[in-house]
Order: sequence, then C-alpha cells, then structure tokens
Amino acid sequence: EDQVTQSPEALRLQEGESSSLNCSYTVSGLRGLFWYRQDPGKGPEFLFTLYSAGEEKEKERLKATLTKKESFLHITAPKPEDSATYLCAALTGTASKLTFGTGTRLQVTL
Amino acid sequence: GAGVSQSPSNKVTEKGKDVELRCDPISGHTALYWYRQSLGQGLEFLIYFQGNSAPDKSGLPSDRFSAERTGGSVSTLTIQRTQQEDSAVYLCASSSGQFYGYTFGSGTRLTVV
Repeated sequence: EDQVTQSPEALRLQEGESSSLNCSYTVSGLRGLFWYRQDPGKGPEFLFTLYSAGEEKEKERLKATLTKKESFLHITAPKPEDSATYLCAALTGTASKLTFGTGTRLQVTL
Repeated sequence: GAGVSQSPSNKVTEKGKDVELRCDPISGHTALYWYRQSLGQGLEFLIYFQGNSAPDKSGLPSDRFSAERTGGSVSTLTIQRTQQEDSAVYLCASSSGQFYGYTFGSGTRLTVV
C-alpha cells in the first residue's frame, strides 16, 4: 500500500528563521511528488511537482527537492504570510489519484 | 469558470437524511476528483472521473456514497442515510490530466447532527 508520511506535524518559526519540512514516501513506482499549501477554510493550493530524483523547484521563499525516498520543502527567511499547512502527495504508476500525507502545520511569528 | 466551485459551502443535516454536494470544475478539465478531509486526517481519496466515466471508485467508504458526472463537467456526490462519521470537509479537484497538479475547490463542510 502506498504511504506518504510528513514531519514534523507542526512547526513554529520566527520570521527569518529558515527550516525544512520532510515528506517521506513508500510507493510503487513514483510518477510525481506534489506539494500543496492549505490555508484554514480553503482547499489546497498547488505549489510544485517533482518528477525525478535530484530535481529541484523554487518559488519565492520555497524550494522543493526530491530524492528516491523523500522530498524536502525548504523555507528560506519565512514571513508570517507563509503560515499554513503544507501537504505533500505522491502519484504512483498504477494509481489514478494522489496519495496525500497528513501535512505539516507551519506557524511563522514576528 | 476561473476556479473549481463547490456548493454548498456548509451543510448541516440530521442523521439519516440524504445530502447532495455539487462540484463545478474548471472548464475543459477532463479529470475530476473527490476527496474527504477529516479533522487531523490527511486527504482521503473517494472517486476519480475521466470525462463522465469513473474508472476508480475505490475510495467510496460504503454503498451509501455515490457520485456522477454529466456532460464532462458538473459532478454530484450523494450521501444517503448520513451518519455522524460522515462529518468532514468534502473537497473536489479538477485537472487537465492525471499527471498534472490538481486545482481544488474550497470544499463543502458537512456536519451530521
């Protein structure tokens, strides 16, 4: 069974304090690893897709990386507006849908 | 439309009643998905549509749950004889293809009392 595990469950950072969120996956034949951001009361918002080990993608203060077993979402010099739940999800070769992790709830304070 | 639209945004229903949740995907998106999100839980897959067909219904938790899609566009998720454990946020997403990012709606928060 495909499994996606995220850590930590919750993370509190001060503004400007960089950190990384982890997404480890045990799936059969990864075809894509997706990152989403979810704000309270809203649906997840697409951030990145990574397709192969070694790939990196960046958007503003966020950078996503992928290895054969896990993905990291690096947040550089975060701001309070980066506070949200970050979800990762895996799409596998035989599956027709994304399998999501339970998310990391990030809070950035002044 | 510009985004995925879901209605109603909130629904409170009595145990045992039937409910219908509606999803209007992005125009031209052939793939449509329903997920359920419970407090503290990850997103749980329910059903996937490609056009009007549902090649993967494996996530529907019981035969009380059904869904249809018409005209390759609007989809309705129906829950019959609702139970308290059905309380959750039901999210719909659409995509231009299986391997592309999904665009989610804001969800329907269902509360069964």
